Amino acid sequence: NAGVTQTPKFQVLKTGQSMTLQCAQDMNHEYMSWYRQDPGMGLRLIHYSVGAGITDQGEVPNGYNVSRSTTEDFPLRLLSAAPSQTSVYFCASSYADRRLSGYTFGSGTRLTVV
Amino acid sequence: DQQVKQNSPSLSVQEGRISILNCDYTNSMFDYFLWYKKYPAEGPTFLISISSIKDKNEDGRFTVFLNKSAKHLSLHIVPSQPGDSAVYFCAASSGADGLTFGKGTHLIIQP
Repeated sequence: NAGVTQTPKFQVLKTGQSMTLQCAQDMNHEYMSWYRQDPGMGLRLIHYSVGAGITDQGEVPNGYNVSRSTTEDFPLRLLSAAPSQTSVYFCASSYADRRLSGYTFGSGTRLTVV
Repeated sequence: DQQVKQNSPSLSVQEGRISILNCDYTNSMFDYFLWYKKYPAEGPTFLISISSIKDKNEDGRFTVFLNKSAKHLSLHIVPSQPGDSAVYFCAASSGADGLTFGKGTHLIIQP
C-alpha cells in the first residue's frame, strides 16, 4: 500500500542509548518531516527536508539528527536518549505544494526512554 | 507562546446534528490552515484546508470557515456520524517549514 511507513512501532530505550527511527514513503513526495506528540499536546516539528540532500531544523530539534540521502527515506536519529524524549513520533510527507494536498502521516513510533 | 489554540479539549454531539470545532491563532503570517483527524494508535489524516485568501471551503460533510479579522477558524461537520468520533487538530503554516498544531479537540458523537 502506498503511504508513509514508520519502523519500529514501539521501542523502549535506556537513558544514553542511541537509535534510529525509520521513515520511508513511496509517493515520490519531495517534502518530509518529523513531529513528536506528547500527552495533551499538539504535534511539534523536529526536523524537515524539502528534498534529497536538504534538511532544516524545526521547533524542537535538540537531541535529534536527520539526513536525506534519497527521496524515499528520512531517518531520525536519537544521539543519546533522555527520558524527556519519551513521546510518539510521526513522520509526514507531501508534494512540494503541500498547501493543496496536505501531509500524509505515518502511523507513528511510540518511544519510551527509561 | 501557543500560536494555534483549540480551547475545547472535548466536545460531545448527538448523531445527526452539527459538530462545530473552533480554532484561534495569533500569528498574522499564517497563510493557510488545515484540519486533521486522528484515531488512537494511528497517524493524523488530512481532512480539509483553506487558504487565507478564502473565507470558506467545503468538501462533502466538512466545511471550514476562516475569519481573518478575528484570527479564527472553525470546522463544521454536518451531519455528524459515529465514525467522526476522533481527535481533531487544527494546523497552520506560514511558509516553507512545517505546520504549527493546536492541542486538539476530542469529538465524541453520541448515538
